[in-house]
Amino acid sequence: AQRVTQPEKLLSVFKGAPVELKCNYSYSGSPELFWYVQYSRQRLQLLLRHISRESIKGFTADLNKGETSFHLKKPFAQEEDSAMYYCALIANSGNTPLVFGKGTRLSVIA
Amino acid sequence: KAGVTQTPRYLIKTRGQQVTLSCSPISGHRSVSWYQQTPGQGLQFLFEYFSETQRNKGNFPGRFSGRQFSNSRSEMNVSTLELGDSALYLCASSLMTGALLYGYTFGSGTRLTVV
Repeated sequence: AQRVTQPEKLLSVFKGAPVELKCNYSYSGSPELFWYVQYSRQRLQLLLRHISRESIKGFTADLNKGETSFHLKKPFAQEEDSAMYYCALIANSGNTPLVFGKGTRLSVIA
Repeated sequence: KAGVTQTPRYLIKTRGQQVTLSCSPISGHRSVSWYQQTPGQGLQFLFEYFSETQRNKGNFPGRFSGRQFSNSRSEMNVSTLELGDSALYLCASSLMTGALLYGYTFGSGTRLTVV
């Protein structure tokens, strides 16, 4: 079974400081991983996906298969980054649903 | 193009009642998935439909059911409502089942409150 763990419920950083949101996964097969973001009063939206190697709004994420992790990073946090972040996993076969972690709330302090 | 549309936006129901939520996916999307979002549990998968067929089902009791119509619109139904069913119900659509390449596009959700 697939499982996604985001160990931090809340992460507070100062503006300009580096950010790292942790995501660990458990899946016996080959996964595809995503990060979704939900800003206040907005709908959940895709931030980035591993398969496309994107960098969105300064965020990057590297898949580490050895550590089964897909941490989200940004070198310099901005106030507008404050939001709820969800890591999600789907089987490479595409035959399973998208499974989410419980989310981490990022608060960027001015 | 129009996004994923969920109706109604808000619902207040009494314990024991039943409720039907509706989701219209993005035009051309054939896959619709439903999630329950709560502060404590995050997003929990309910079910996924593709071309009117249920492809996957999450670990929810049989009181939760759904269906998809030929125009890809989907409904979910919750019978015999319990207080614990209070949540934001999110619908997501995708071009293909499993959302492997394209990811999901989410609606704004239906906020269900059971009193």
